[in-house]
Amino acid sequence: DIQLTQSPSFLSASVGDRVTITCRASQGINTYLNWYQQNPGKAPKLLIYAASTLQSGVPSRFSGSGSGTDFTLTISSLRPEDFATYYCQHVDSFPITFGQGTRLEIK
Amino acid sequence: EVRMVESGGGLVQPGGSLRLSCEASGFTFSDYYLDWVRQAPGKGLEWVGRVKDKATGYITEYAASVKGRATISRDDSKNSLFLQMNNLKAEDTAVYYCARARLLAGRTNFDYWGQGTLVSVSS
Repeated sequence: DIQLTQSPSFLSASVGDRVTITCRASQGINTYLNWYQQNPGKAPKLLIYAASTLQSGVPSRFSGSGSGTDFTLTISSLRPEDFATYYCQHVDSFPITFGQGTRLEIK
Repeated sequence: EVRMVESGGGLVQPGGSLRLSCEASGFTFSDYYLDWVRQAPGKGLEWVGRVKDKATGYITEYAASVKGRATISRDDSKNSLFLQMNNLKAEDTAVYYCARARLLAGRTNFDYWGQGTLVSVSS
C-alpha cells in the first residue's frame, strides 16, 4: 500500500500568513494526488485535484504542486475560514489512502 | 444541485450487522463511481471501498480492514448506494461518508460528499 505522510501535523499561523503543507508518498504516484479541507463536524471538501488543478469555486489563494513522491499545498494569504484540517489523498492505485491530516489553527 | 444523503447509522453490538444507504440527486447517478470513506472519532479519513459503474460490471474494491466483511452495492434505478457491514468490531465505530468519484484522465477525485452517518459499535 502507498503511505502518505503529511508535515507538519499541526500548524499555527495568523491571518494573512502564507503557509505550505507537504505530503510525501512512499512511492511515486505521478500527479494522482488530491487535497481536501475539512471543518469540524463537516464533510471534507475537495480543493485541488491531480496535484495542481484548482477545483471549481475554490479561491485562488489555494494552490498545489508536485509530482512523483513530493507534493505541496500552499495557501498564499490565510483568511479566517481557512483554519481547518487538510488531507492529501492518492488515487494512483488501490487501496486509496489519505495522509494523516494537518490541523491549521489560528496563532 | 448535487446532494448525497446517508442514512442507516446507529448503535450496534459487536458482531452485528448494519446496512448504510446513500441517496443521491442532482446528477446522473449511473455515470459515476461511488465510494465510502469513514472517520473514527477524532481521527483522520479512511477509504472503505468503491463500486464502479455498469460499464465495468459494477466492479468493487475494498480496504483490507473491511474486506470480507463489507459489501458495497448500488441501485442506479433508485440513485442509491449501499454499504453492508457484517461482523462489526469496535474499531468500525466512525462517521461513514458516501462520496461521488469523478473520473478525470483515468484517475478520480471525490468532488461531492454526503454529510455522514455515525456508526457506533459497542455492547
